[in-house]
Order: sequence, then C-alpha cells, then structure tokens
Amino acid sequence: DIQMTQSPSSLSASVGDRVTITCRASESISGYLNWYQQIPGKAPKLLIYAASSLQSGVPSRFNGRGSGTDFTLTISSLQPEDFATYYCQQDYSALRTFGQGTKVEIK
Amino acid sequence: QVQLQESGPGLVKPSQTLSLTCTVSGASISSDFDYWNWIRQHPGKGLEWIGYIYNSGSTYYNPSLMSRITISVDTSKNQFSLKLTSVTAADTAVYYCARIAESRRAFDIWGQGTMVTVSS
Repeated sequence: DIQMTQSPSSLSASVGDRVTITCRASESISGYLNWYQQIPGKAPKLLIYAASSLQSGVPSRFNGRGSGTDFTLTISSLQPEDFATYYCQQDYSALRTFGQGTKVEIK
Repeated sequence: QVQLQESGPGLVKPSQTLSLTCTVSGASISSDFDYWNWIRQHPGKGLEWIGYIYNSGSTYYNPSLMSRITISVDTSKNQFSLKLTSVTAADTAVYYCARIAESRRAFDIWGQGTMVTVSS
C-alpha cells in the first residue's frame, strides 16, 4: 500500500490567515494527488485534483502544488466556511489511499 | 447534474451481511469512463477505500477487505451495490458511494453517506 502522511494533524488559525497543509507519500505518485474538504456530518468534497487542478466551483484561494512524494495544499486567506478537515488521497495505485486528515480549527 | 444516493439498513447484527445500494442519477453506470466506488469512514476517523466497479462488471477491491466484499451493478436500475459479509463491530462506519471520473482520477461526486451500526 502507498501510505499518505499529512502534517500537521490539526492546526488553529484565524480568518484571513494563510494556511498550508503538507501531504507526503511513501513512494512516488507522480502528480496523482487529490485534496478533499470535509465538514462535520457531510461527505468529503473534491477541491484539487492532479495535484494542482482546481475542481470546478472551488474558490481560487485554494491552491495545490507538488509532485513525486511531497505535496501541499494552501489556503491563501482562510474564510469562516473553510474550517473543516482536509484529506489528501493518492490515485497512482489502484489501491486508493487517504491521508489521516488535517483538522483546521478556529483560533 | 450527477447525484449519488446510498440506501440500506442502518443496523446489522454481528456475523450477518451488510448490504447497501447506491442509486446514480444524471449519469449512466455503464459509462466506460467512470468508476463507481464504496468508501467508509469509521466514527471520528479517516477515510478507507473499499473497492470499485467499472465497465458494467469489472471490480477491484481493497485487499484488506477482499475476502468479505462483493460489489455488483444493476444497469437496468442504474445502481451499484455493496455486500460485506461476516460483519463485526469494526465494520460500524459511515458508508459512502462515490464516482471516480477517469478524466480527473479523483472522487468528484459523493453520496451523502449512510451510517451503518453493527450491533446485536
């Protein structure tokens, strides 16, 4: 299995802050990395696919970068609706795997 | 637009079989370009991919669950289903169905999820 490790596991931030979440794969996954946002009680929502492509309808303050084993999701200016848990997911292997999640909380 | 909706019992007894159905609207489950998935989330935990079906019958399962899983499709109803046998409390989770669009290679459409509790 390809292991996906996110850091940090949680963070506290204020509205307007710039926030960066890191995801590391246990082996190279090229650019096959996706990011999801999950609000409590809701299904995950696709934000970024193929490491850096913004899903339709997702605000441009979300930005993804990386390739190989190291990836980042940056929220340029945190908004109240962005407080949620974020997951990375690799689509390089047929056995899809997710990171453990990063919870973004209000400071 | 494409929508997915899970249905099935919310309570299953230990050792029995968990059966869920995902109804797809706005897209054909027979599409050559989409993969139809089951994913679960244990309470307060992360996401675990269970398996998928595509091309109206080809499947791929998570090896950790493979011995207990069957995913099937009913093209006449535009539905796909999950059966998980010999359940235990460890199978208590929210179960989601989701689509992978081949063009994105990402879970772009999700159902709302259904909570399944394994308990006597």
